[in-house]
Amino acid sequence: QSVLTQPPSVSGAPGQRVTISCTGSSSNIGAGYEVHWYQQLPGTAPKLLIYTNTNRPSGVPDRISGSKSGTSASLVISGLQAEDEADYYCQSYDSNLSGYVFGSGTKVTVL
Amino acid sequence: EVQLVESGGGLVKPGGSLRLSCAASDITFSSYSINWVRQAPGKGLEWVSSISSSGTYIYYTDSVKGRFTISRDFAKTSVYLQMNSLRADDTAVYYCARGSSGSGIVYFDYWGQGALVTVSS
Repeated sequence: QSVLTQPPSVSGAPGQRVTISCTGSSSNIGAGYEVHWYQQLPGTAPKLLIYTNTNRPSGVPDRISGSKSGTSASLVISGLQAEDEADYYCQSYDSNLSGYVFGSGTKVTVL
Repeated sequence: EVQLVESGGGLVKPGGSLRLSCAASDITFSSYSINWVRQAPGKGLEWVSSISSSGTYIYYTDSVKGRFTISRDFAKTSVYLQMNSLRADDTAVYYCARGSSGSGIVYFDYWGQGALVTVSS
């Protein structure tokens, strides 16, 4: 059972915008710890998508953005493309567990 | 380009041992923490263990404490995960990942391809 909760799935048509939420608590996101996001294409290793809440590594398009507020964070994919079909995970730190934690994961489907 | 290559995965019986290796190509290996993250079949990601850039600080998730040991060899630019007393629920793909941080918590910016560990009789 993940301490960071994500919707199991979201979907959208090409060109649409989808939002993935990551809900935590006062011992992780709500304590001020940063949130990072990863994309995992089928059969491959995860790839860093957003770091420190809002920052994109080189090569990640600006149609992908992240935000954080209170005990939650969000990943927004605008202008949805077929290549965005993947699993997405948020990551933070939990002071009760004294370790890094991942969200439960969200599968994005492009209709 | 930073490359991390895992090796050492395989099939092992419950109670057995296995040692995973993570070889780094980057000459700045000693400047970063290295972490192990696993993914059980059809499941999500789970952080397992971390070793700091100097090797001084070591952390484990509760479920592997006392059974797994992480270490690093600077001369070989490698990190190891010694796994003892393996259980069926340790079955997973194990990824090593480089840890970077700005002003906050570590994020994993480079990942290996993963090594499959199967614990079964």
